[in-house]
Amino acid sequence: EPEVTQTPSHQVTQMGQEVILRCVPISNHLYFYWYRQILGQKVEFLVSFYNNEISEKSEIFDDQFSVERPDGSNFTLKIRSTKLEDSAMYFCASLRRGAGNEQFFGPGTRLTVL
Amino acid sequence: AQTVTQSQPEMSVQEAETVTLSCTYDTSESDYYLFWYKQPPSRQMILVIRQEAYKQQNATENRFSVNFQKAAKSFSLKISDSQLGDAAMYFCAYRGILNSGGSNYKLTFGKGTLLTVNP
Repeated sequence: EPEVTQTPSHQVTQMGQEVILRCVPISNHLYFYWYRQILGQKVEFLVSFYNNEISEKSEIFDDQFSVERPDGSNFTLKIRSTKLEDSAMYFCASLRRGAGNEQFFGPGTRLTVL
Repeated sequence: AQTVTQSQPEMSVQEAETVTLSCTYDTSESDYYLFWYKQPPSRQMILVIRQEAYKQQNATENRFSVNFQKAAKSFSLKISDSQLGDAAMYFCAYRGILNSGGSNYKLTFGKGTLLTVNP
């Protein structure tokens, strides 16, 4: 069964460093998402991406964040200058428009900012 | 903006018994989707069950069923014959309907209910 994959599973970085989190959505899916879950808190929407552009972003998704689909298969989230409060689990999800409309989630990347 | 409220931070159930997890939501839309996701210790989000708001019939998936009360904006999850593998964090989530201009299907989650299953 097709699945969403994410790499790395765990990333440790120093405050101020740039990180890129990578996702490979399911191949025939058209909508892509990043969500964040700070430890012990709820899952929060960051950004959605469709037709090679951002379709919506939350107030969390400030200028430090960017997303890209560089090659038609990968979907990346970049944080330019990480802060301590960026430490969280980051989930990628994808969706194929149609019946069911289920978002399929990846296993997540745990980002630790020191 | 839509909000989702899960008022039970933690619940516990004996193996083989039934437990109900509560969820309420707020929206001005008339059509939407509601979901329950399970997040085990591995942290992977797994879809448990889905309900379309325009369907009056409550969704059922094996041991999992929902009680959808649209007027009350309530969407509870019932787990029957609870198993040890059901122990996880359960999130209720809301999603609007794609509009003609193209929308994003973003999910709005509640804070979750941690379910413990006792042997």
